[in-house]
Amino acid sequence: GDSVTQMEGPVTLSEEAFLTINCTYTATGYPSLFWYVQYPGEGLQLLLKATKADDKGSNKGFEATYRKETTSFHLEKGSVQVSDSAVYFCALRNVWGAQKLVFGQGTRLTINP
Amino acid sequence: DTGVSQNPRHKITKRGQNVTFRCDPISEHNRLYWYRQTLGQGPEFLTYFQNEAQLEKSRLLSDRFSAERPKGSFSTLEIQRTEQGDSAMYLCASSLGTQPRTDTQYFGPGTRLTVL
Repeated sequence: GDSVTQMEGPVTLSEEAFLTINCTYTATGYPSLFWYVQYPGEGLQLLLKATKADDKGSNKGFEATYRKETTSFHLEKGSVQVSDSAVYFCALRNVWGAQKLVFGQGTRLTINP
Repeated sequence: DTGVSQNPRHKITKRGQNVTFRCDPISEHNRLYWYRQTLGQGPEFLTYFQNEAQLEKSRLLSDRFSAERPKGSFSTLEIQRTEQGDSAMYLCASSLGTQPRTDTQYFGPGTRLTVL
């Protein structure tokens, strides 16, 4: 079945550091890919998405590129802030049937000032 | 605010009791999804509705679980004879359901269930 594997956390960085959170997937079809973020005490929010190979999703300084050849969708940010502290989830969604999201286990990110 | 809303936000119950959660999707969203999230894990799909029709259910959804979406608007998720293993965050999401590749699911804040 479809699955998503994320870099294990927790991840702790200093402010202004470079961030990479790895995400790879296994899918039976040609899925769309997503990063969702969950801030403390809040619900899941869409951070960015990419719907086809080589697309780059970007938002709030975060970027991720859909790499079909390596089945990856790594999340990057050039300079993190304390306010980026949250749990990040990579997810895929196939485009037929239920089109349900399949999530990775999440990566907890803590940014220290 | 016209986002997805869920009620209650927290529910504490005793084992064996029945509980019901409500989800109000974004207006005009045709698809509605229920997911369950346990501590330290990503959300897992439970079921989804296209308008009022429940079209797929996960194997996670045992016979004690039932979901409805009357008239294709709000949805309810009921758990009968709750067990301690049902303790989790129950998330609702909705989407337009018109363009498969670009369709985006928007999540509510969740209902946290604790079964004592």
